Parts: sequence; structure tokens; C-alpha cells
Amino acid sequence: AQSVAQPEDQVNVAEGNPLTVKCTYSVSGNPYLFWYVQYPNRGLQFLLKYITGDNLVKGSYGFEAEFNKSQTSFHLKKPSALVSDSALYFCAVRDRNTDKLIFGTGTRLQVFP
Amino acid sequence: EADIYQTPRYLVIGTGKKITLECSQTMGHDKMYWYQQDPGMELHLIHYSYGVNSTEKGDLSSESTVSRIRTEHFPLTLESARPSHTSQYLCASSKTGLTEAFFGQGTRLTVV
Repeated sequence: AQSVAQPEDQVNVAEGNPLTVKCTYSVSGNPYLFWYVQYPNRGLQFLLKYITGDNLVKGSYGFEAEFNKSQTSFHLKKPSALVSDSALYFCAVRDRNTDKLIFGTGTRLQVFP
Repeated sequence: EADIYQTPRYLVIGTGKKITLECSQTMGHDKMYWYQQDPGMELHLIHYSYGVNSTEKGDLSSESTVSRIRTEHFPLTLESARPSHTSQYLCASSKTGLTEAFFGQGTRLTVV
């Protein structure tokens, strides 16, 4: 079965510092991985995806993610955090057999001024 | 912004009432999904559809039902609402293939 894990419930970072939100995956075959962000009382917004190709994927709002096959990871990164980046972040994998989108448990990012 | 709409955004309703949460998308997507999410918590897939007249139950058991009579419309119905149904319900859609899903704004349901 396909799954993703987000080991941190919360990540705290000072504004201007780099941020990393971790995600590891467990899939059979090639993984199809996604990152979403959720602001309070809103739906999820798509940030970026990895299907194939370059291991460094660039997405919306200055975010990027690094796909690492040997470590089965897909960590979300940003070089310089903003207070407005504070939100709930979800990693997801698309199940190749059922085509369902399976989400991790989410990581709350708090950026302090 | 994605063209997927959910109504109502907020609903407070009494126990035992029948409710329907609406979800519509104008992108012509074949696949549609319903997720249940307690505030700030993980998402649980409760229903999905591959296309018209196709519906499947998700990973989390739910007393709700869905229908897919038209491509653009994927309503969720609770025949008899209970306080345990209090949650946020998120609708999403995607094209066939290895693509991202687009989410609506969600419906926050409170059953009193």
C-alpha cells in the first residue's frame, strides 16, 4: 500500500531563516508525490509535485522540494521563511492502482517574526 | 484559484435532519473526491468517483452517501445528521492521470 509519513507535528522557524518540512514515502514502483498547503478555514492549495525528472522541484510561493530516492524522502523547503507561510502543510502520494490521493498527517509550520 | 465550489461554507443543523453538501467543478475533471477533516487534523478520504455513475467508498467509513449523475456535480448526503458528523468536509477533483487534485473551500458542518 502507498503511504506518506510526516514525522513532525509542528515546525517552528524564525522569519528569514530557511525552512524544511519533512515527508517520507512508502510506495511500490515509481512514486507520484505532492505538497499542499492549508490556511485556516480554507481548502487545500496545490504547491508542487514530483512525477519524474529533476529531483529538485520548484513550486508556488518560492517553495521547492527535493526528491531523494535512496532515502525515500520528499522534503519541502524554502530558503527564507515568511510569517505568511505559517499554515498546515500536507504531503501526499497518488496510489498508482486506485488513483486515490493519500495524505500524510500534516505538519503545522509556525514562522515567528 | 481552482474552479471547484462547495456550498454551503458553514452549516449548523439539528440532530436527525437530512443534509446535502454541494460540490461542483467546471474543469471537466473525471475524478472527484470527498475528504473529512477535523480542524487542523489529517484528511480522511470518505468517497471518490472515477466518472459519471461511478462511486466508491474511501478509506474512512462514513454514514454519508454520494451520487455522480453529472460530471460536474458530486453531492454528499447525510440522511440523519448526528453530532458525531460535526467536521469539515472537503471536495476535490482531478483529471485522469498523474495530476494534482484541486480542492474546494470546504463546508464546516456542526450538528447540534
